[in-house]
Amino acid sequence: EAGVVQSPRYKIIEKKQPVAFWCNPISGHNTLYWYRQNLGQGPELLIRYENEEAVDDSQLPKDRFSAERLKGVDSTLKIQPAELGDSAVYLCASSSRLGEAFFGQGTRLTVV
Amino acid sequence: DQQVKQNSPSLSVQEGRISILNCDYTNSMFDYFLWYKKYPAEGPTFLISISSIKDKNEDGRFTVFLNKSAKHLSLHIVPSQPGDSAVYFCAASGGGSEKLVFGKGTKLTVNP
Repeated sequence: EAGVVQSPRYKIIEKKQPVAFWCNPISGHNTLYWYRQNLGQGPELLIRYENEEAVDDSQLPKDRFSAERLKGVDSTLKIQPAELGDSAVYLCASSSRLGEAFFGQGTRLTVV
Repeated sequence: DQQVKQNSPSLSVQEGRISILNCDYTNSMFDYFLWYKKYPAEGPTFLISISSIKDKNEDGRFTVFLNKSAKHLSLHIVPSQPGDSAVYFCAASGGGSEKLVFGKGTKLTVNP
């Protein structure tokens, strides 16, 4: 069974440019998460989806970040415009209703 | 305000010995606790979990202990192997939310 797939693995952009990350969760997992991990820190939740509905986006900086999960499967996370402080690893995870979360390999974003 | 704390940034043990990683939490609503292991350039991998109705859960070389009165949990690895060298994250959820709150991680080094 394939795990959580994220792309790209690495992205380097100039500040003020837009960037998008893509996530394909494990088949059958209704819950999808986007986390951000800064250097030396644990992952922090940005947004959580139950199927196609965003049920927890309190930590998402909505002035520049947006996310969508069309048809309750794949998801994209977008930043526009990117700032230097957005440099981090962006992790996608998925889980079944009562299970532990499985993470993808992450996208390492560097904003220069 | 960090709700999940891992106060030891690093730990070094000899191969074959026991590794003990500690985690404290402040939110009494947490009722499900997990440990994740993370290798460089990879996403966190689920290791073991424990529900608040238990005080111990064992899986092979890994045992998690939960002390609810002290709001403390620990992960024991016996015997430790060089391949266990990684960053270990403690995470918690509860209060009706499936949101995982992570600690900052402890880097374990197992020396041959």
